[in-house]
Amino acid sequence: GDSVTQMEGPVTLSEEAFLTINCTYTATGYPSLFWYVQYPGEGLQLLLKATKADDKGSNKGFEATYRKETTSFHLEKGSVQVSDSAVYFCALEDSGAGSYQLTFGKGTKLSVIP
Amino acid sequence: DTGVSQDPRHKITKRGQNVTFRCDPISEHNRLYWYRQTLGQGPEFLTYFQNEAQLEKSRLLSDRFSAERPKGSFSTLEIQRTEQGDSAMYLCASSSGTSGGSSYEQYFGPGTRLTVT
Repeated sequence: GDSVTQMEGPVTLSEEAFLTINCTYTATGYPSLFWYVQYPGEGLQLLLKATKADDKGSNKGFEATYRKETTSFHLEKGSVQVSDSAVYFCALEDSGAGSYQLTFGKGTKLSVIP
Repeated sequence: DTGVSQDPRHKITKRGQNVTFRCDPISEHNRLYWYRQTLGQGPEFLTYFQNEAQLEKSRLLSDRFSAERPKGSFSTLEIQRTEQGDSAMYLCASSSGTSGGSSYEQYFGPGTRLTVT
């Protein structure tokens, strides 16, 4: 079945550091890929998405590129801020296989220190 | 619109009791999803409705779990004879979309945290 593997956390960075959170996936079809973020005490929010190979999703300075050849969707940000401290989840939806459920990774907790 | 709402936000119950959670989706959304999230894990899919029809159910949804969406608007998730292993955050999400159509963004509610003692 479908699965998502993402980088183990927690990750601690200093403000303005470069961030990469790795995500790889296994899917039977051609999935759409997502990054969701969960800020402390809040619900899951969509951060960015990409629906086909080589698409780049971007939002709030975060970027991720859908790489079909490496089955990856790594999240990057050039300069993190304290306000980026949150848990980040990589997810896929394999609607081409007839399913609209999201399959999530385990999450990566990011802490950014001043 | 205020987004997806869930009620209650917290529920503490004793093992063996029944509990029911409610989800109100974004008003124009016809798809509604339930997920379960345990500590340190990502959300796991439970079930999905297109309007009032329950179209997908996970193997995680044992016979003790039942979900309904009687008029295609709000949904309820009931757990009968709760067990300590049911302790988790229960998340509801909604999206627009038609049967057989492409994927649409899922908007999540704040969740209901269930503790079974």
